[in-house]
Amino acid sequence: SQQGEEDPQALSIQEGENATMNCSYKTSINNLQWYRQNSGRGLVHLILIRSNEREKHSGRLRVTLDTSKKSSSLLITASRAADTASYFCATDLNQAGTALIFGKGTTLSVSS
Amino acid sequence: SQTIHQWPATLVQPVGSPLSLECTVEGTSNPNLYWYRQAAGRGLQLLFYSVGIGQISSEVPQNLSASRPQDRQFILSSKKLLLSDSGFYLCAWSVLSPGLSGNTIYFGEGSWLTVV
Repeated sequence: SQQGEEDPQALSIQEGENATMNCSYKTSINNLQWYRQNSGRGLVHLILIRSNEREKHSGRLRVTLDTSKKSSSLLITASRAADTASYFCATDLNQAGTALIFGKGTTLSVSS
Repeated sequence: SQTIHQWPATLVQPVGSPLSLECTVEGTSNPNLYWYRQAAGRGLQLLFYSVGIGQISSEVPQNLSASRPQDRQFILSSKKLLLSDSGFYLCAWSVLSPGLSGNTIYFGEGSWLTVV
């Protein structure tokens, strides 16, 4: 089963522009995570936001969480060509948090 | 530091043949271990996870199985592959931190399986 759904499926921007990706989920969560996947590689953890947090920053990344709307957004500011990748949100499979389930991802293409 | 090794990186197998993908984690003990599959252009599907030796949870019923013969070893197997088994298989590990702290997962580099 899939908990998170990212939107849009694909996003193309120019270097220097901001990229915003959204994630909606269905059930209550303890936290939500964002991961990045370069083409043909494993996923890499980017950032985790807890359910009692509304916003979190890490470098050029800004994540927001709205638990009332069951949604999160990932903003990448001043995008670079190296940001080209797929981005996934992930939530706990169950209350025990023993596994994560991922959305289908947003494919970001940044052209120079 | 912790590392995860997954092999083989690429394989082409005929329909009906067996499969064995192996994964080992170094630098940590009693990790949670995972197998995910990613079909071309699609999201990740959780196949199996394990919280300890011999403890396997299956999320999607299919002709795949998993085993954890040692603390840091996770094996994905099939007795007879189907065309639909083609995809990118990712092994991953974590140290469980339930609740607000979250369960950050660390992925291997993946194994590309093509069933022909």
